[in-house]
Amino acid sequence: QQKVQQSPESLIVPEGGMASLNCTSSDRNVDYFWWYRQHSGKSPKMLMSIFSNGEKEEGRFTVHLNKASLHTSLHIRDSQPSDSALYLCAASRSSGSWQLIFGSGTQLTVMP
Amino acid sequence: NTKITQSPRYLILGRANKSLECEQHLGHNAMYWYKQSAEKPPELMFLYNLKQLIRNETVPSRFIPECPDSSKLLLHISAVDPEDSAVYFCASSPRQYSNERLFFGHGTKLSVL
Repeated sequence: QQKVQQSPESLIVPEGGMASLNCTSSDRNVDYFWWYRQHSGKSPKMLMSIFSNGEKEEGRFTVHLNKASLHTSLHIRDSQPSDSALYLCAASRSSGSWQLIFGSGTQLTVMP
Repeated sequence: NTKITQSPRYLILGRANKSLECEQHLGHNAMYWYKQSAEKPPELMFLYNLKQLIRNETVPSRFIPECPDSSKLLLHISAVDPEDSAVYFCASSPRQYSNERLFFGHGTKLSVL
């Protein structure tokens, strides 16, 4: 059973548009959420992390976290073609056995 | 990312034995092997923390990891199976703490005939 669910599976937005990606964990013991970006044929690279309730912004990227619902979202404003990639949400626990669980990802395509 | 190097980049095998290699130049204490099959997210295979192995029990026994020193990681595969076709990523983090980000190497793409 997938413990980290992402939606949508794929998303197409026009250049300059807003992309919104969602992620929910079914494991109530997770404490940390991560967003990794993986361009085609490349390795995943961490984009943003969020550990506390609320919002965090870095440039065009904003992440939200609601720890009560174990839901995080990533928003990309002014999307660029170079943002086209697979976006992987991941979650980890602060106690117990270590494991970074990845969701299946959202494939984002930004159309010029 | 030249700070984590993996070799070889590409590997095509029949039912053979082979070793994948990884070296990190980041001074990290934790190293990982991840497997990413087509259209799937990365899945943890093995974790070494300060050279101590933590194994994912679902990994077939034909995969044997080795950590000869804190900067190097090997993955020995014996009698590969077609289901082993995937990209194998080496990753590292400063420590094995849940709030530490992972740094990934470029991966080794394994194709099993």
